[in-house]
Amino acid sequence: DAMVIQNPRYQVTQFGKPVTLSCSQTLNHNVMYWYQQKSSQAPKLLFHYYDKDFNNEADTPDNFQSRRPNTSFCFLDIRSPGLGDAAMYLCATSRVPTGQEETQYFGPGTRLLVL
Amino acid sequence: DAKTTQPPSMDCAEGRAANLPCNHSTISGNEYVYWYRQIHSQGPQYIIHGLKNNETNEMASLIITEDRKSSTLILPHATLRDTAVYYCIVARGSTLGRLYFGRGTQLTVWP
Repeated sequence: DAMVIQNPRYQVTQFGKPVTLSCSQTLNHNVMYWYQQKSSQAPKLLFHYYDKDFNNEADTPDNFQSRRPNTSFCFLDIRSPGLGDAAMYLCATSRVPTGQEETQYFGPGTRLLVL
Repeated sequence: DAKTTQPPSMDCAEGRAANLPCNHSTISGNEYVYWYRQIHSQGPQYIIHGLKNNETNEMASLIITEDRKSSTLILPHATLRDTAVYYCIVARGSTLGRLYFGRGTQLTVWP
């Protein structure tokens, strides 16, 4: 089945130690999104790629970076994780940007723990 | 961004219809109303969306008022597996579409 895959499902890192989360998709969608969801809060959009074009949200900290080497893969890099970065990180895809009557398909998420 | 207002929580008996309201009084003419849900510890799941007409699919029905300032998601026969947080989202009509999630409604379906 076509889907959005996130690995690992759980990631433990140390304070200040760079960490990379990965997302892959078999849907061949043009847009890939990264969301951060802290405990008991709603998902918050960090940034998204429309093909190779990167679109950062204005309030996304510089500590968060992203790479999209090809259509199928997208990575979230946290350069120096702090305790406040512990959260569920959700990857989503859509064929075209949402707002043009297009839905997003979410992966299961990666839960990041910062020690 | 158009903002949405939803009740924080609702209960529903299994087998009954669940009606989840959403207010979006500042919605623009080209903005769609989307509904997603998130079962505990999973990624959000698309349910339905609409512009101004009522919509129905295999999961739910969406009723949008004529002035488009509010909508209601209807799960016709709620089951225990429908227990989740339901998000009503108004999507930007710009070329770079984004989803901005509000707090959502925690729906609990009781046996």
